Amino acid sequence: GAGVSQTPSNKVTEKGKYVELRCDPISGHTALYWYRQSLGQGPEFLIYFQGTGAADDSGLPNDRFFAVRPEGSVSTLKIQRTERGDSAVYLCASSLDRHDEQFFGPGTRLTVL
Amino acid sequence: QQQVKQSPQSLIVQKGGISIINCAYENTAFDYFPWYQQFPGKGPALLIAIRPDVSEKKEGRFTISFNKSAKQFSLHIMDSQPGDSATYFCAAAGKSTFGDGTTLTVKP
Repeated sequence: GAGVSQTPSNKVTEKGKYVELRCDPISGHTALYWYRQSLGQGPEFLIYFQGTGAADDSGLPNDRFFAVRPEGSVSTLKIQRTERGDSAVYLCASSLDRHDEQFFGPGTRLTVL
Repeated sequence: QQQVKQSPQSLIVQKGGISIINCAYENTAFDYFPWYQQFPGKGPALLIAIRPDVSEKKEGRFTISFNKSAKQFSLHIMDSQPGDSATYFCAAAGKSTFGDGTTLTVKP
């Protein structure tokens, strides 16, 4: 059975560049979450989608971060004008519905040089 | 402001011993308290979870104890095994707020 997949697994970019991180949730899961995890810390909530809409984007740190889920399945996290402080592991999770168990992907390790 | 505080930061236990990790939360609106296990290079995986209408939940060697009045909950791992060595995170939903994690090492 396919779990949550994320691509790429690793992304190295230069300061100021634009990056896109992709998440493929488990089929049929309506809820999708993005988190950011820095070394030695717990996942930090970024945004939550219910279907196609962003139900809660209060965790996005600033307007350089944006996420979409146009068809209610795959989601893309977009980061503009990357900064060195954006370096972290970006985790995606999906769940059947809002308060159900969240299944996490392996994450994308983003390094901004 | 950190809404979920987890302790200890690291824990070393002998094989067969009991591992205890504690969490305290602030927001009384939280209504779901999961514990996650994370191995290096992997995403967190749900271990066990509890809702505030019960004080304890047990699944195999893993038990959550929940104290609503104190706004605290803890994870107990009985008969700890070397394979349990991982980082453990408590969390509180609705806003999927995580603690900073506890690195557990179980020595053979």
